[in-house]
Amino acid sequence: GESVGLHLPTLSVQEGDNSIINCAYSNSASDYFIWYKQESGKGPQFIIDIRSNMDKRQGQRVTVLLNKTVKHLSLQIAATQPGDSAVYFCAENMVGYKLSFGAGTTVTVRA
Amino acid sequence: NAGVTQTPKFRVLKTGQSMTLLCAQDMNHEYMYWYRQDPGMGLRLIHYSVGEGTTAKGEVPDGYNVSRLKKQNFLLGLESAAPSQTSVYFCASSPGTSGGLDTQYFGPGTRLTVL
Repeated sequence: GESVGLHLPTLSVQEGDNSIINCAYSNSASDYFIWYKQESGKGPQFIIDIRSNMDKRQGQRVTVLLNKTVKHLSLQIAATQPGDSAVYFCAENMVGYKLSFGAGTTVTVRA
Repeated sequence: NAGVTQTPKFRVLKTGQSMTLLCAQDMNHEYMYWYRQDPGMGLRLIHYSVGEGTTAKGEVPDGYNVSRLKKQNFLLGLESAAPSQTSVYFCASSPGTSGGLDTQYFGPGTRLTVL
Protein backbone atom coordinates (compact mmCIF):
# COMPACT_ATOMS: atom_id res chain seq x y z
CA GLY A 1 0.00 0.00 0.00
CA GLU A 2 0.95 3.60 -0.09
CA SER A 3 2.83 4.87 2.93
CA VAL A 4 5.42 7.30 4.15
CA GLY A 5 8.87 5.97 4.87
CA LEU A 6 12.34 7.19 5.68
CA HIS A 7 15.42 6.24 3.70
CA LEU A 8 17.72 5.52 6.63
CA PRO A 9 16.86 4.26 10.11
CA THR A 10 19.92 5.91 11.70
CA LEU A 11 22.08 8.96 11.10
CA SER A 12 25.26 9.93 12.93
CA VAL A 13 26.30 13.57 12.65
CA GLN A 14 29.25 15.58 13.97
CA GLU A 15 28.24 18.47 16.18
CA GLY A 16 28.21 21.67 14.14
CA ASP A 17 27.63 19.92 10.83
CA ASN A 18 24.41 20.09 8.87
CA SER A 19 22.03 17.12 8.97
CA ILE A 20 19.79 15.93 6.18
CA ILE A 21 17.00 13.46 6.91
CA ASN A 22 15.12 12.02 3.98
CA CYS A 23 11.63 10.71 3.52
CA ALA A 24 9.94 9.15 0.48
CA TYR A 25 6.23 9.04 -0.08
CA SER A 26 4.17 7.25 -2.69
CA ASN A 27 0.76 8.88 -2.49
CA SER A 28 0.71 11.63 -5.08
CA ALA A 29 -2.58 12.90 -3.62
CA SER A 30 -1.01 13.81 -0.27
CA ASP A 31 -1.22 17.54 0.30
CA TYR A 32 0.32 18.17 3.69
CA PHE A 33 3.48 16.95 5.35
CA ILE A 34 4.86 17.39 8.85
CA TRP A 35 8.18 16.67 10.49
CA TYR A 36 8.17 15.62 14.13
CA LYS A 37 10.99 15.17 16.63
CA GLN A 38 10.67 12.62 19.40
CA GLU A 39 13.08 12.52 22.32
CA SER A 40 13.37 9.45 24.48
CA GLY A 41 10.37 9.01 26.75
CA LYS A 42 8.45 11.93 25.27
CA GLY A 43 5.71 12.49 22.74
CA PRO A 44 6.39 13.68 19.18
CA GLN A 45 7.05 17.39 18.95
CA PHE A 46 6.13 19.45 15.90
CA ILE A 47 9.13 20.84 14.01
CA ILE A 48 7.91 22.17 10.70
CA ASP A 49 5.26 21.52 8.07
CA ILE A 50 4.79 22.11 4.37
CA ARG A 51 1.85 22.06 2.02
CA SER A 52 1.95 20.53 -1.43
CA ASN A 53 1.78 23.92 -3.17
CA MET A 54 5.22 24.78 -1.75
CA ASP A 55 8.73 23.48 -2.51
CA LYS A 56 10.57 24.83 0.48
CA ARG A 57 9.86 26.18 3.91
CA GLN A 58 12.29 27.49 6.50
CA GLY A 59 12.13 27.64 10.24
CA GLN A 60 14.64 28.30 12.94
CA ARG A 61 17.68 26.20 11.92
CA VAL A 62 15.45 23.83 9.98
CA THR A 63 14.40 23.69 6.34
CA VAL A 64 11.95 21.30 4.74
CA LEU A 65 12.17 20.59 1.02
CA LEU A 66 9.42 18.96 -0.99
CA ASN A 67 10.05 17.45 -4.41
CA LYS A 68 6.72 16.34 -5.79
CA THR A 69 8.24 15.05 -9.02
CA VAL A 70 10.07 12.26 -7.23
CA LYS A 71 7.81 12.22 -4.17
CA HIS A 72 10.59 13.11 -1.77
CA LEU A 73 10.65 15.11 1.44
CA SER A 74 13.71 16.15 3.40
CA LEU A 75 14.50 17.90 6.64
CA GLN A 76 17.70 19.87 6.92
CA ILE A 77 19.05 20.88 10.31
CA ALA A 78 21.74 23.55 10.30
CA ALA A 79 24.64 23.47 12.77
CA THR A 80 23.46 20.30 14.51
CA GLN A 81 23.59 20.43 18.29
CA PRO A 82 23.59 17.68 20.94
CA GLY A 83 19.99 18.59 21.75
CA ASP A 84 19.04 17.57 18.21
CA SER A 85 19.66 13.91 19.05
CA ALA A 86 16.26 12.25 18.72
CA VAL A 87 14.05 10.21 16.43
CA TYR A 88 12.64 12.18 13.52
CA PHE A 89 9.39 11.22 11.82
CA CYS A 90 7.82 12.51 8.68
CA ALA A 91 4.05 12.33 8.51
CA GLU A 92 1.84 12.48 5.48
CA ASN A 93 -1.71 13.76 5.38
CA MET A 94 -3.24 11.10 3.20
CA VAL A 95 -6.95 11.29 3.91
CA GLY A 96 -8.39 14.43 5.39
CA TYR A 97 -7.04 14.90 8.87
CA LYS A 98 -5.50 11.48 9.33
CA LEU A 99 -1.72 11.34 9.30
CA SER A 100 0.38 8.40 8.18
CA PHE A 101 3.77 8.16 9.89
CA GLY A 102 7.00 6.63 8.74
CA ALA A 103 9.10 4.42 11.02
CA GLY A 104 11.52 7.21 11.92
CA THR A 105 15.22 8.07 11.67
CA THR A 106 17.35 8.08 14.81
CA VAL A 107 19.80 10.98 14.76
CA THR A 108 22.85 10.81 17.00
CA VAL A 109 25.06 13.88 17.38
CA ARG A 110 28.75 13.22 18.04
CA ALA A 111 30.65 15.70 20.18
CA ASN B 1 -1.62 26.19 28.62
CA ALA B 2 -0.83 22.63 29.58
CA GLY B 3 -1.44 21.49 26.00
CA VAL B 4 -2.24 17.78 25.78
CA THR B 5 -2.05 15.77 28.98
CA GLN B 6 -2.43 12.03 29.53
CA THR B 7 -3.12 9.94 32.61
CA PRO B 8 -1.74 7.65 33.80
CA LYS B 9 1.91 7.79 32.67
CA PHE B 10 2.54 4.11 33.36
CA ARG B 11 0.32 1.11 33.95
CA VAL B 12 0.75 -2.64 34.28
CA LEU B 13 -2.26 -4.88 33.66
CA LYS B 14 -2.89 -8.59 33.77
CA THR B 15 -4.42 -10.28 30.75
CA GLY B 16 -8.19 -9.82 30.78
CA GLN B 17 -8.23 -6.72 32.95
CA SER B 18 -9.80 -3.50 31.77
CA MET B 19 -8.68 0.09 32.00
CA THR B 20 -9.30 3.57 30.65
CA LEU B 21 -6.69 6.04 29.47
CA LEU B 22 -7.61 9.69 29.77
CA CYS B 23 -6.53 12.44 27.39
CA ALA B 24 -7.26 16.10 28.01
CA GLN B 25 -6.47 19.20 25.94
CA ASP B 26 -6.93 22.84 26.83
CA MET B 27 -6.45 24.32 23.34
CA ASN B 28 -10.13 24.12 22.34
CA HIS B 29 -9.23 21.74 19.52
CA GLU B 30 -11.98 20.02 17.58
CA TYR B 31 -10.09 16.89 16.56
CA MET B 32 -8.53 14.33 18.87
CA TYR B 33 -6.67 11.10 18.19
CA TRP B 34 -5.31 8.01 19.88
CA TYR B 35 -2.15 6.33 18.53
CA ARG B 36 -0.03 3.44 19.62
CA GLN B 37 3.71 3.23 19.09
CA ASP B 38 5.62 -0.04 19.01
CA PRO B 39 9.39 -0.54 18.71
CA GLY B 40 10.69 0.02 15.20
CA MET B 41 7.33 1.21 13.96
CA GLY B 42 5.79 4.56 13.43
CA LEU B 43 2.67 5.75 15.12
CA ARG B 44 -0.49 3.90 14.19
CA LEU B 45 -3.90 5.48 14.53
CA ILE B 46 -6.34 3.59 16.77
CA HIS B 47 -9.40 5.85 16.89
CA TYR B 48 -10.10 9.50 16.34
CA SER B 49 -12.79 12.11 16.88
CA VAL B 50 -13.73 15.12 14.80
CA GLY B 51 -15.86 16.71 17.48
CA GLU B 52 -17.67 16.26 20.76
CA GLY B 53 -19.89 13.20 20.66
CA THR B 54 -18.25 11.72 17.54
CA THR B 55 -15.74 8.89 17.16
CA ALA B 56 -14.37 6.88 14.26
CA LYS B 57 -12.07 3.92 13.69
CA GLY B 58 -8.50 4.35 12.63
CA GLU B 59 -5.94 1.90 11.35
CA VAL B 60 -5.84 -0.53 14.30
CA PRO B 61 -9.12 -0.21 16.26
CA ASP B 62 -9.68 -3.82 17.35
CA GLY B 63 -9.70 -4.34 21.11
CA TYR B 64 -10.20 -0.65 21.89
CA ASN B 65 -13.15 1.64 22.45
CA VAL B 66 -13.28 5.41 22.77
CA SER B 67 -15.61 8.14 23.94
CA ARG B 68 -15.67 11.92 23.52
CA LEU B 69 -18.37 13.16 25.85
CA LYS B 70 -16.67 16.51 26.35
CA LYS B 71 -14.75 18.48 23.77
CA GLN B 72 -11.62 18.63 25.88
CA ASN B 73 -11.48 14.94 26.79
CA PHE B 74 -10.92 11.78 24.77
CA LEU B 75 -10.98 8.43 26.56
CA LEU B 76 -9.44 5.19 25.32
CA GLY B 77 -10.75 1.96 26.85
CA LEU B 78 -9.41 -1.56 26.85
CA GLU B 79 -12.19 -3.94 27.85
CA SER B 80 -10.09 -7.10 28.08
CA ALA B 81 -6.38 -6.40 27.85
CA ALA B 82 -4.11 -8.71 25.85
CA PRO B 83 -0.28 -8.90 25.78
CA SER B 84 -0.40 -7.64 22.17
CA GLN B 85 -1.68 -4.35 23.54
CA THR B 86 1.58 -3.72 25.36
CA SER B 87 2.68 -0.44 23.82
CA VAL B 88 3.13 3.26 24.33
CA TYR B 89 -0.09 5.16 23.74
CA PHE B 90 -0.15 8.76 22.55
CA CYS B 91 -3.03 11.14 22.40
CA ALA B 92 -3.02 14.08 20.01
CA SER B 93 -5.26 16.96 19.11
CA SER B 94 -5.56 19.39 16.22
CA PRO B 95 -7.60 22.56 15.62
CA GLY B 96 -9.68 21.20 12.75
CA THR B 97 -9.92 24.62 11.14
CA SER B 98 -7.99 24.00 7.91
CA GLY B 99 -10.07 21.30 6.31
CA GLY B 100 -7.88 18.67 7.85
CA LEU B 101 -4.52 20.22 6.99
CA ASP B 102 -3.71 20.72 10.63
CA THR B 103 -0.73 20.09 12.81
CA GLN B 104 -1.37 17.48 15.47
CA TYR B 105 -0.05 18.18 18.95
CA PHE B 106 0.89 15.19 21.06
CA GLY B 107 0.73 14.33 24.73
CA PRO B 108 3.62 12.76 26.69
CA GLY B 109 2.36 9.19 26.32
CA THR B 110 1.21 6.31 28.52
CA ARG B 111 3.39 3.23 28.75
CA LEU B 112 1.17 0.17 29.14
CA THR B 113 2.39 -3.34 29.87
CA VAL B 114 0.02 -6.29 29.75
CA LEU B 115 1.30 -9.44 31.46
